[in-house]
Amino acid sequence: ETGVTQTPRHLVMGMTNKKSLKCEQHLGHNAMYWYKQSAKKPLELMFVYSLEERVENNSVPSRFSPECPNSSHLFLHLHTLQPEDSALYLCASSDPGEGLEAFFGQGTRLTVV
Amino acid sequence: GIQVEQSPPDLILQEGANSTLRCNFSDSVNNLQWFHQNPWGQLINLFYIPSGTKQNGRLSATTVATERYSLLYISSSQTTDSGVYFCAVGIWFGNEKLTFGTGTRLTIIP
Repeated sequence: ETGVTQTPRHLVMGMTNKKSLKCEQHLGHNAMYWYKQSAKKPLELMFVYSLEERVENNSVPSRFSPECPNSSHLFLHLHTLQPEDSALYLCASSDPGEGLEAFFGQGTRLTVV
Repeated sequence: GIQVEQSPPDLILQEGANSTLRCNFSDSVNNLQWFHQNPWGQLINLFYIPSGTKQNGRLSATTVATERYSLLYISSSQTTDSGVYFCAVGIWFGNEKLTFGTGTRLTIIP
């Protein structure tokens, strides 16, 4: 496999559920990102991990909990979400240097009911 | 924070036509990328172009960093070119993060 892979591609969950999104990159990068794309809004950066350390938390509610166990894997743990959290969640990776190209996964389309 | 504006917001063209998409940004950047978002949501890398001009088949891009804008050219449009095109600029804060524009929705009519 090459590139950035996200699973699942689609997820429907109730407000009381706990679920996790998974991202895996095969590009040898050391920085990974979670972005959120809501309808009619620009993509918003949620979290940045560089060398497995969280370096940015862009004022994201605590019901979203990221985890980066190694440089190839990134998770987003979800619990007690709200319907307004329904969105496309995109994972990206790059090298942790200045001005370097980022690559994105296919995204997980999340619906909270 | 940095502002990224894309124009036009929507563009409808006949197959075979040419188009120019514009991205303006409000501050100096380290990185500029153009993406095509397919109907399933994936962002496809088109160009990594912090400055200069690049071409890839029917697509080309030019970034004039000193004037803070970038242009994406699509020639001889095909229906498969339909989708949303995003410009994203990279800001260095000790790590890199991309700020996205609101996109241009391109619809190519057969």
